[in-house]
Amino acid sequence: DADVTQTPRNRITKTGKRIMLECSQTKGHDRMYWYRQDPGLGLRLIYYSFDVKDINKGEISDGYSVSRQAQAKFSLSLESAIPNQTALYFCATSEVTADTQYFGPGTRLTVL
Amino acid sequence: SQQGEEDPQALSIQEGENATMNCSYKTSINNLQWYRQNSGRGLVHLILIRSNEREKHSGRLRVTLDTSKKSSSLLITASRAADTASYFCAACSGAGSYQLTFGKGTKLSVIP
Repeated sequence: DADVTQTPRNRITKTGKRIMLECSQTKGHDRMYWYRQDPGLGLRLIYYSFDVKDINKGEISDGYSVSRQAQAKFSLSLESAIPNQTALYFCATSEVTADTQYFGPGTRLTVL
Repeated sequence: SQQGEEDPQALSIQEGENATMNCSYKTSINNLQWYRQNSGRGLVHLILIRSNEREKHSGRLRVTLDTSKKSSSLLITASRAADTASYFCAACSGAGSYQLTFGKGTKLSVIP
């Protein structure tokens, strides 16, 4: 089984809809991250969480919110989706004492 | 803003040849990491080099870091068709080494 899983893997939605992307991990890591990737670009950090009670905004948090339901679960919400939020979204985890991040398989989101 | 910037954007080589990718970054770092991404999939960590290191090897990978020039290079020796992927550098900074800032990536094609 994959250590970092994301659901759904693909999602098509309409402008104005609320959508939630979910991430679960079995690695036991405290730190979790949400990134988005646009074609031809690198990953940009949306939100990150050091533990259940510690959530922080990243570089591009506008239009997004997150929830850390448990150590193993970190959800990303788009309250009112817009077309320029069409992208590939990745969840990642890391240990407190290490710098390496472990990525999920990604969610491809299309907003029409 | 993008911290890591890779060069070239795309590279095509024959199997067995060496592939070299370069990365430049803008601010002080704790370490620099390289990740690989197969088409549309999650990123996989390849190698990490700390700011006080100049060179590091892992299998067919060789990474160098020049902090005076704020640059790094990734060399893949004796390339294989399976090395075909996009390669990203990620500059790690911030207290606690949590923040990775990714470049736009180099797309490597290895022709059998």
